[in-house]
Amino acid sequence: NAGVTQTPKFRVLKTGQSMTLLCAQDMNHEYMYWYRQDPGMGLRLIHYSVGEGTTAKGEVPDGYNVSRLKKQNFLLGLESAAPSQTSVYFCASSITRTSGTSTDTQYFGPGTRLTVL
Amino acid sequence: AQSVTQPDIHITVSEGASLELRCNYSYGATPYLFWYVQSPGQGLQLLLKYFSGDTLVQGIKGFEAEFKRSQSSFNLRKPSVHWSDAAEYFCAVGAADSNYQLIWGAGTKLIIKP
Repeated sequence: NAGVTQTPKFRVLKTGQSMTLLCAQDMNHEYMYWYRQDPGMGLRLIHYSVGEGTTAKGEVPDGYNVSRLKKQNFLLGLESAAPSQTSVYFCASSITRTSGTSTDTQYFGPGTRLTVL
Repeated sequence: AQSVTQPDIHITVSEGASLELRCNYSYGATPYLFWYVQSPGQGLQLLLKYFSGDTLVQGIKGFEAEFKRSQSSFNLRKPSVHWSDAAEYFCAVGAADSNYQLIWGAGTKLIIKP
């Protein structure tokens, strides 16, 4: 099993450009998440999905869109990149929501480092 | 609102010495508590978690954490650190009514002195 993979690993954009980050998981997990990580701020949830075809906003959704057309894939889009979106982006997946069962561990991808100039 | 505080941004420990990383949370009901570790350039990996039962939780790599309700804390400990433990450590809190979200602390970077 590859677990959770993310592409690309690095990307540099100019302000106003668009891009899509791809997350794929091969663990048949229902739940998938996109986070951004900024120095001194921990992880902040951008969007999440509780199943194929469903998405929901997290803590910091502005400027991002997501899609979950297939259970194994979760795409994060930036339509018009801004320097404030310079960050490291992590995708994660889990079997269920955080509900107190032993299946609620989130499994993380290796991250995508995005720089917006 | 739920919150997680990791008071130490950096901690430096000598190899072989004991370690304690602090985590305090704010939440009205019983939280679900997690510690994750992030090695340089890597994603996050679960070290241990507490949902209920025994308040002393054992994790991977020789780590343990103790849930203290009276102090709203979930501190991470290791009796003897190894150079390979150098990483950033994140505490996170979840709850049954948290709408699928974990609240994350800002992280503590652990530096190991030879």
